[in-house]
Amino acid sequence: GNSVTQMEGPVTLSEEAFLTINCTYTATGYPSLFWYVQYPGEGLQLLLKATKADDKGSNKGFEATYRKETTSFHLEKGSVQVSDSAVYFCAFTNAGGTSYGKLTFGQGTILTVHP
Amino acid sequence: SAVISQKPSRDICQRGTSLTIQCQVDSQVTMMFWYRQQPGQSLTLIATANQGSEATYESGFVIDKFPISRPNLTFSTLTVSNMSPEDSSIYLCSVEEKLGEKGNQPQHFGDGTRLSIL
Repeated sequence: GNSVTQMEGPVTLSEEAFLTINCTYTATGYPSLFWYVQYPGEGLQLLLKATKADDKGSNKGFEATYRKETTSFHLEKGSVQVSDSAVYFCAFTNAGGTSYGKLTFGQGTILTVHP
Repeated sequence: SAVISQKPSRDICQRGTSLTIQCQVDSQVTMMFWYRQQPGQSLTLIATANQGSEATYESGFVIDKFPISRPNLTFSTLTVSNMSPEDSSIYLCSVEEKLGEKGNQPQHFGDGTRLSIL
């Protein structure tokens, strides 16, 4: 069935370090892929998205590339800041052209960035 | 993107009681979604609410425990009935990005309702 597997956390980095959070998915067809971020005490915000193979989503210095051959959508940032400390969720939706999409989420990865 | 407001933002309730959570969107949407996020866990879809018809529940969730209303295209409620400590979670509503269109779209979320049951 449909599923998302994320890199286990928590991840602890120093400011300006390079970040990678791995995400792989299992889905039929051609899903759209997303990264969401949840800051402490807040709801989920869409961070970036990619809707077809080889698309690169980017936002706020974060990037992820839709790799169909490896069914992956790894999140990267070249230089993290303390303000990036949050929980990151990889997700996908796999609607057909005539139906609304149900989001399937990974388990979330806690990122803590120290000054 | 749509602005989604949830009320209450948090509550502490006694076991055996029920609480209704409201979700208001600033524009008309076809589908609204309700999720549960248990402490330290990911999000799980409870049900999909379509205006004018009964909600569609995911496996493990039933209407008697989580009744949902969808009276119009901008509003929905989720009731958590006969609460127990196991219901302590964050409850979130969401809508799809491109209002009225179907397909593989991201969803946008409200800030959630943080519910604690004593």
